[in-house]
Amino acid sequence: AQTVTQSQPEMSVQEAETVTLSCTYDTSESDYYLFWYKQPPSRQMILVIRQEAYKQQNATENRFSVNFQKAAKSFSLKISDSQLGDAAMYFCALSNFGNEKLTFGTGTRLTIIP
Amino acid sequence: KAGVTQTPRYLIKTRGQQVTLSCSPISGHRSVSWYQQTPGQGLQFLFEYFSETQRNKGNFPGRFSGRQFSNSRSEMNVSTLELGDSALYLCASNLLAGGPDTQYFGPGTRLTVL
Repeated sequence: AQTVTQSQPEMSVQEAETVTLSCTYDTSESDYYLFWYKQPPSRQMILVIRQEAYKQQNATENRFSVNFQKAAKSFSLKISDSQLGDAAMYFCALSNFGNEKLTFGTGTRLTIIP
Repeated sequence: KAGVTQTPRYLIKTRGQQVTLSCSPISGHRSVSWYQQTPGQGLQFLFEYFSETQRNKGNFPGRFSGRQFSNSRSEMNVSTLELGDSALYLCASNLLAGGPDTQYFGPGTRLTVL
């Protein structure tokens, strides 16, 4: 069975500052994908960033980047220049190659302080 | 392209009733997955459909069922509702079956069981 662990239930950051959300995972598969999804108060789940396990290069999407440590099974999300619109629940998720099932962590609630 | 749509957005039922939720995937997407989100259990995978066939199923009782139509639209049904079935039900679609691909989520259906 695969698991995803987010050990930070809540985080806060000053607007314009940088924050890092942590995620660790466990899977017996060698081919898998990792995702960060954002769920604002509207409850719409929005993809933030995705990382393929076979890629050594860390994924980046504008102000969002990941630190993917495959050996340590760690997948953290860094948000630079935090904006008020970044306030949301952030979920780390894992899917194995060939399987559409996403396994989610418990989420980290991010608050942006103006 | 229109996103994933779910109907209805809100639903109130009483114990013992049954309910049907609908999901229309992004045009061209052939795989549809369903998730249940509750404060206590978090996000849990229900099942995934591709080409009208259930390919993967989570650990839910048989009261939870689904189907997919030839146009990729999907429905999920919950029979003999229990209070614990109160949750946000999220549908997600993706283009390719078997990955690698990203699931895009709909806005969810909020089910309340009284």
